[in-house]
Amino acid sequence: GAVVSQHPSRVICKSGTSVKIECRSLDFQATTMFWYRQFPKQSLMLMATSNEGSKATYEQGVEKDKFLINHASLTLSTLTVTSAHPEDSSFYICSAKLAGGASSYNEQFFGPGTRLTVL
Amino acid sequence: AQSVTQPDIHITVSEGASLELRCNYSYGATPYLFWYVQSPGQGLQLLLKYFSGDTLVQGIKGFEAEFKRSQSSFNLRKPSVHWSDAAEYFCAGGPGTASKLTFGTGTRLQVTL
Repeated sequence: GAVVSQHPSRVICKSGTSVKIECRSLDFQATTMFWYRQFPKQSLMLMATSNEGSKATYEQGVEKDKFLINHASLTLSTLTVTSAHPEDSSFYICSAKLAGGASSYNEQFFGPGTRLTVL
Repeated sequence: AQSVTQPDIHITVSEGASLELRCNYSYGATPYLFWYVQSPGQGLQLLLKYFSGDTLVQGIKGFEAEFKRSQSSFNLRKPSVHWSDAAEYFCAGGPGTASKLTFGTGTRLQVTL
């Protein structure tokens, strides 16, 4: 149980184009999803917290107009990298938190990640 | 600032040897702590977690971790390492009532045969 998928797993795009990454919780409902960015050989950096039906909360330094997050349902959140540039190339990982769990239950389930390469 | 620290960037052990990966936290209240493993190009797999209760936590793949409040530590251990354990290991944590996790910088484990 508690499986999270991401699509696509790998994408290559030209500079200036937009790319959408999907994050789905396959067998549970997630009121909260998180988007992380990971540079090669570095740790995960939280980009934003996505709550179903409301606007995402972005971490300091993350451009909300560049990284558009939509959490339209309890099982789907999307991250759109707009006008992508080579410096946006990275590994993007999403995670999902169980809905309806105890307020103190803090476990996140992670997707397999999406490798974005901007040429 | 509240954080999670992994002091060791890279550790090499021989197959069959014991392993301990260090993790320190700086949260005031009892934190929620996790250990994840990541193989190259892959997502994160949860090894174990600590919320409360017994301070010695058993995880998957033969791993365990011990929460020590006096030392602000949550070190990961395995009595006998296998070559397949070579990967990147991340400690992560958060304050009890918050949803956000903070990740340590990771420790890359290399296993020699």
